[in-house]
Amino acid sequence: KQEVTQIPAALSVPEGENLVLNCSFTDSAIYNLQWFRQDPGKGLTSLLLIQSSQREQTSGRLNASLDKSSGRSTLYIAASQPGDSATYLCAVTAHGTDKLIFGTGTRLQVFP
Amino acid sequence: GAGVSQSPRYKVAKRGQDVALRCDPISGHVSLFWYQQALGQGPEFLTYFQNEAQLDKSGLPSDRFFAERPEGSVSTLKIQRTQQEDSAVYLCASSKGDRATYGYTFGSGTRLTVV
Repeated sequence: KQEVTQIPAALSVPEGENLVLNCSFTDSAIYNLQWFRQDPGKGLTSLLLIQSSQREQTSGRLNASLDKSSGRSTLYIAASQPGDSATYLCAVTAHGTDKLIFGTGTRLQVFP
Repeated sequence: GAGVSQSPRYKVAKRGQDVALRCDPISGHVSLFWYQQALGQGPEFLTYFQNEAQLDKSGLPSDRFFAERPEGSVSTLKIQRTQQEDSAVYLCASSKGDRATYGYTFGSGTRLTVV
């Protein structure tokens, strides 16, 4: 059974720091991995999608990497800003299924 | 539409009441998913449609939960005889269909509170 774990559960950093959020999954047979952002009381906003054949994706200050063989992904946020404060969720689509399996998220707070 | 639209945004139901939650996916998206998110947790899969066919309903927690997508576009999640443990945010997502390439787009969710 595919399980997704995110570390740390919460993170508080000063503005301007570079930071790394971690995601691990137990079964490497995946179609893709997706990082989402969720603001309090809101739905999920897709940040980056990495297909199983890719190693990384970049969008602005965000960079996500995927190491399928070791079951790991990282989300790197450069020069963090208070507006980055949110919960970050990673999710995988496992082979043989169409559903996303989510981690429990990392709650990020960036203070001025 | 431009995004996935869900209604209502908030719903308060008395225990035992039936509720219906609506999802309007992105036009042309063949795949539609429902997820349940409890407070402080990641979303959990409930059910999946490809067009009007419900291909996977393994995540529905009980027979009080029922979903339909009769014309392959709008979907309704119905919960009968609501219980307090049904309180959660219900999220709908849609996809073009090639899951490996396109990923998923989520709506803003319906927050259900059962009192």
